[in-house]
Amino acid sequence: AQKITQTQPGMFVQEKEAVTLDCTYDTSDQSYGLFWYKQPSSGEMIFLIYQGSYDEQNATEGRYSLNFQKARKSANLVISASQLGDSAMYFCAMREGIAAGNKLTFGGGTRVLVKP
Amino acid sequence: GAVVSQHPSWVICKSGTSVKIECRSLDFQATTMFWYRQFPKQSLMLMATSNEGSKATYEQGVEKDKFLINHASLTLSTLTVTSAHPEDSSFYICSAPGGRGVTNEKLFFGSGTQLSVL
Repeated sequence: AQKITQTQPGMFVQEKEAVTLDCTYDTSDQSYGLFWYKQPSSGEMIFLIYQGSYDEQNATEGRYSLNFQKARKSANLVISASQLGDSAMYFCAMREGIAAGNKLTFGGGTRVLVKP
Repeated sequence: GAVVSQHPSWVICKSGTSVKIECRSLDFQATTMFWYRQFPKQSLMLMATSNEGSKATYEQGVEKDKFLINHASLTLSTLTVTSAHPEDSSFYICSAPGGRGVTNEKLFFGSGTQLSVL
């Protein structure tokens, strides 16, 4: 079974509008972390935001916010006020357990294209 | 901030040759290095986890004799694709925890290596 599922292969969003990228996960661990990364065409992986399983508040980082719904096992990324530079692939990832050395498992990704 | 330097950025080689990819952690010690492979328009798939001073742990389906991983020091991990074939053409990227050992620690990624085997 897929541990991380991103159901949207691609999305168009109008510049200056908000966009929500879906991510659901599957784990039996009580302690886990959820990450979002951005990958532009250059290939580099850019860290966007992190949510811990015990964090009570939704994480926010500038224009990025994470809508964490633990009971539904979802961790959707919201990008507000989209910019042309936001066009990229976006990956949701999960780390199971508390050890920082534990591996990340990535979802299939969502390609976002921001239209001017 | 912590940086992982990955070289080369791209390499083109003939079928049957071996290619070595290096990842160096700058300003921090990487006791663990993850090696991922990414085919075009697909996600990152973990190939193996290397730990300094010990044998790498390979994911199911990854040939350890083909993808040799060495993590001889706290700042250097290498991936050697031996006897490369066209089907090994892919984007390879390494990543390492920053070393603080806290649960919200993000991975620091190298810039990736695009391998094309002719």
